[in-house]
Formats: sequence, C-alpha cells, structure tokens
Amino acid sequence: DAGVTQSPTHLIKTRGQQVTLRCSPKSGHDTVSWYQQALGQGPQFIFQYYEEEERQRGNFPDRFSGHQFPNYSSELNVNALLLGDSALYLCASSLTGTSVTGELFFGEGSRLTVL
Amino acid sequence: AQSVAQPEDQVNVAEGNPLTVKCTYSVSGNPYLFWYVQYPNRGLQFLLKYITGDNLVKGSYGFEAEFNKSQTSFHLKKPSALVSDSALYFCAVRAIYSGYSTLTFGKGTMLLVSP
Repeated sequence: DAGVTQSPTHLIKTRGQQVTLRCSPKSGHDTVSWYQQALGQGPQFIFQYYEEEERQRGNFPDRFSGHQFPNYSSELNVNALLLGDSALYLCASSLTGTSVTGELFFGEGSRLTVL
Repeated sequence: AQSVAQPEDQVNVAEGNPLTVKCTYSVSGNPYLFWYVQYPNRGLQFLLKYITGDNLVKGSYGFEAEFNKSQTSFHLKKPSALVSDSALYFCAVRAIYSGYSTLTFGKGTMLLVSP
C-alpha cells in the first residue's frame, strides 16, 4: 500500500518563475492538504482540496493555487516566485469521513529553493 | 483561533533517561490534539493523538502523551529515551472552520538524546 508520494523531491528556481509540485494521496484517501514548512518553522496550512475543489485556504496569497484531479491526486502551483517561497512543501492526505479525529498522512515533501 | 505553543526550541536528554516535550494549546470547543515527528529531510510521521477518553494516550515507538484540560497542556513523554529518538517533534491541534478541519502546528521542538 503506497503512502503519500510527492514529486519532485528537490528543485531550484529563480525569482519570478513558476513551479508546479505534485502529490498522490495514500490509497483510499480523498482529501489532500498542502503545507509550507520554512526552515526552523512548523508547517503552515496553505489549502485543502476535496472533490476537485478548494474548500479551505490558509493565509497565503493568490500566487499559490492548486488543483485536484478525479483520481484524487493534486498539484500545487506557485507563480511569480519570491525568495521567501523557499521551503519544504508537504502534501498530506486524509479521508473526509475521519477529518476531525483522523490523523493526516504526510509525504516526504518537495524542497523548493528560490534563487 | 486555535493555536499550539511549544515553549522549548530544544530538549537535551541522556539515553535511558525519561524525556518530556512540552505543548500547550488554545482551542474553542473540544481539543483534538496530535504529535508528529520529523526526521532530517523527511516528512512528518504520526505518533499519537488525543480525541477523548483517558488522559494518558499511548502511541508509536514507546511514546505517550498526557492531556491536562485544566492546564491546557498535552506533553509528550517517554520513560527511557533512545539516541534514535533524536528528531524534531511537532504538536498540533485540529482546527475546525466552517465544518471542515485541518491541523495547526506548533513551531517544533528539537529533541537531542546523547549516548
């Protein structure tokens, strides 16, 4: 049973560029959440997708957008990259029916460096 | 708004000694509390959760946590630390917005276990 998989694991971009990160949830999970973890900080919630729609969003600008596909996989897009966007981006999956009491399952993350 | 605080950036303990990693929370309504561990350059792994019931919760790798409602605390404990327990530990609280939920994390506590 595959867990949460993310790609790419590492990438380097320059300011102003755009990036797309990908996530496949754990088998049987239908909800995907994205988190940004800056160096020395805890993960910060970006947004959550369910049934191909964004249903919650954290305090992130519109430069951050996402998508969920019919197979529940998800993408995170960041436009007009800033140096401050350098971070580990974590994808977490869950099952909506257990959204309150169930734990999130995390991928290994995609480490983005913006130069 | 829901939040968690981890007052210690780092905890040092000798192998074989008991360890405690502190967490306090602020939440309206019932608290749903979680502990995760992160090893270097890895994603987050679930350790344990408190939903309801016994105030002492047992989790993975011999860890346990004590829920104290009057002190709004959820401290992580282990009777005998191992060098391999050295990692970054995050406390998290379930935040509920408009019927949906996600996790809000503390900034993390680095645990260093010396041989």
